[in-house]
Amino acid sequence: QSALTQPASVSGSPGQSITIPCTGTSADVGGYNYVSWYQQHPGKVPKLIIYDVSNRPSGVSNRFSGSKSGNTASLTISGLQAEDEADYYCLSYVSSRTLVFGGGTKVTVV
Amino acid sequence: QVQLQQSGPGLVKPSQTLSLACAISGDTVSSNSAAWHWIRQSPSRGLEWLGRTYYRSKWYYDYAISLKSRITINPDTSKNQFSLQLNSLTPEDTAVYYCARSPIHYFYIDLWGKGTTVTVSS
Repeated sequence: QSALTQPASVSGSPGQSITIPCTGTSADVGGYNYVSWYQQHPGKVPKLIIYDVSNRPSGVSNRFSGSKSGNTASLTISGLQAEDEADYYCLSYVSSRTLVFGGGTKVTVV
Repeated sequence: QVQLQQSGPGLVKPSQTLSLACAISGDTVSSNSAAWHWIRQSPSRGLEWLGRTYYRSKWYYDYAISLKSRITINPDTSKNQFSLQLNSLTPEDTAVYYCARSPIHYFYIDLWGKGTTVTVSS
């Protein structure tokens, strides 16, 4: 199972919106509404910020939103803040009853 | 509050077997409402899902296809923990290993252990 495709890096200015795509196939992202997103600051454990494509866990800022179209899921961060600078990973269920992560995207606030 | 406490060696020799354990507090490994996972992370491979186990009248196991011949995840109800065994290690298995939990019937990780750094080297 190949990793889902994410851009290596995305950058934006404070207050801007950025979108991180996560591209898979019909056997994973496109076939199920089971895409989740994780934020990871350096040296820290990943944190769940979106589950089931577009749902936010309690306590997660509403500046984070998720969507999906075809085989590509997307994470949008609105009103970009310095604290959003981190690595972001998508995760999807796969038809083989396994899970697969994306390669990760480093977000830089410039 | 559910917590996961990892234990195991930080250094393993090539060709040997890695054994890590994840002790659960605040929940049970045989819970009908959770699945228990192992995930690893390295600079070269990013986050990689390794496998999971869960109990629904019987035990189920799912493993990453790329590791299926080398990996075993075992629940231990007497110790309320689950373990990872990965054999035939190479330096490419050097990574931070995490145990984790997902709600049953769902496929996202809502709880992570703190991670164990494992180096494969002679």
